[in-house]
Amino acid sequence: QVQLQESGPGLVKPSETLSLTCDVSGYSISSGYFWGWIRQPPGQGLEWIGSRSHSGSIYYSPSLRSRLTISVDTSRNKFSLRLSSVTASDTAVYYCARLYCGADCSIDSWGQGALVTVSS
Amino acid sequence: QSVLTQPPSASGTPGQRVTISCSGSSSNIGSNTVNWYQQLPGTAPKVLIYSDNQRPSGVPDRFSGSKSGTSASLAISGLQSEDEADYFCAAWDDSLNGHVVFGGGTKLTVL
Repeated sequence: QVQLQESGPGLVKPSETLSLTCDVSGYSISSGYFWGWIRQPPGQGLEWIGSRSHSGSIYYSPSLRSRLTISVDTSRNKFSLRLSSVTASDTAVYYCARLYCGADCSIDSWGQGALVTVSS
Repeated sequence: QSVLTQPPSASGTPGQRVTISCSGSSSNIGSNTVNWYQQLPGTAPKVLIYSDNQRPSGVPDRFSGSKSGTSASLAISGLQSEDEADYFCAAWDDSLNGHVVFGGGTKLTVL
């Protein structure tokens, strides 16, 4: 059974870069699937951020693409999110997830979520 | 504003059958499969239904999913107190190079 756990700073200053890591256990990232991020601002619905496969294929949210990097580290079995030039509107609970992509893509496993607040 | 539309709340008494709807469009539900997730407070979302109507092992058969056109539904029969949770739908959307879209979530209360 795959398990995912987010980690990273809970507080980021405006204009700086938000960085989160997702540790994966119970499954080898290099074996397949896509690995992605979703966020939920306080009191709002879920928002797709993006995903990346171990081989480098990516699906990025068009609204975040210019600030977004998702990377995969197969040697350490983890993947990461970097979102630059953050503002208060980037405050959210950030979830990492595993996606199965066949004819379409669907999320089959989620992390617990990590709250990131953007504030000076 | 979520791309998929769900009622914000639903309720039922123990033993009742409750349905939760999820409405989308031709670029998401109309052409791709729907997943349903259950989220208890402070916990990770859990897959309840995948590929429109398939249950992962361990999910009781009280939970069922269906889809017609651009709408999907989650039905819970024999409602139990432990079913009180948030439920949300999700689907792949083919627009904008492809992305996952979500419903806003439905808070289910067991009276």
